[in-house]
Amino acid sequence: AQSVTQLGSHVSVSEGALVLLRCNYSSSVPPYLFWYVQYPNQGLQLLLKYTSAATLVKGINGFEAEFKKSETSFHLTKPSAHMSDAAEYFCAVSDEDSNYQLIWGAGTKLIIKP
Amino acid sequence: DGGITQSPKYLFRKEGQNVTLSCEQNLNHDAMYWYRQDPGQGLRLIYYSQIVNDFQKGDIAEGYSVSREKKESFPLTVTSAQKNPTAFYLCASSNGQGLTPLHFGNGTRLTVT
Repeated sequence: AQSVTQLGSHVSVSEGALVLLRCNYSSSVPPYLFWYVQYPNQGLQLLLKYTSAATLVKGINGFEAEFKKSETSFHLTKPSAHMSDAAEYFCAVSDEDSNYQLIWGAGTKLIIKP
Repeated sequence: DGGITQSPKYLFRKEGQNVTLSCEQNLNHDAMYWYRQDPGQGLRLIYYSQIVNDFQKGDIAEGYSVSREKKESFPLTVTSAQKNPTAFYLCASSNGQGLTPLHFGNGTRLTVT
């Protein structure tokens, strides 16, 4: 069965520091991978998605993620954190086995220290 | 601007009462979804609909019901049979399954006491 693991329910970084949010997935068939962001008391919006093209995917707000099949990972990074990046980030996977329904990670809350 | 409207933003009900959460979209999307979000957990799928007058149960459908009489509307009823209804409910839509991204509403926070 597909699953998504996000390491760390909370990640704290200083403003200007590198952001790294980890996501590992399990899938027995080629996966499609997504990162969504949720600001407080709002819905989610798509940051970026991997759909079997380039393994390095660039998204909105300066975020990017790299698909590494050998590590079954899709970590999200941003070179320099801004205060406005404080939010909760969700990784999700879909594939043919799940009938393309999204399987969600538990989320990582990103805290930015001034 | 196109989008998804969920109303109300906050909803309070007494235990034993049914309550209906509204979700309307003007994106002309075929597919609509209801998710439940609890602290420390990912999103869990309650129901989804890929076409008018048809819908399927998700992972946690017990105690919930939906209807899809119009393309734009996908209301969710939380019935008294739902054992733990207090949660944040998110409605989403997409123009197909698979790789198309979901567009989300801003959610309804339901508190049942």
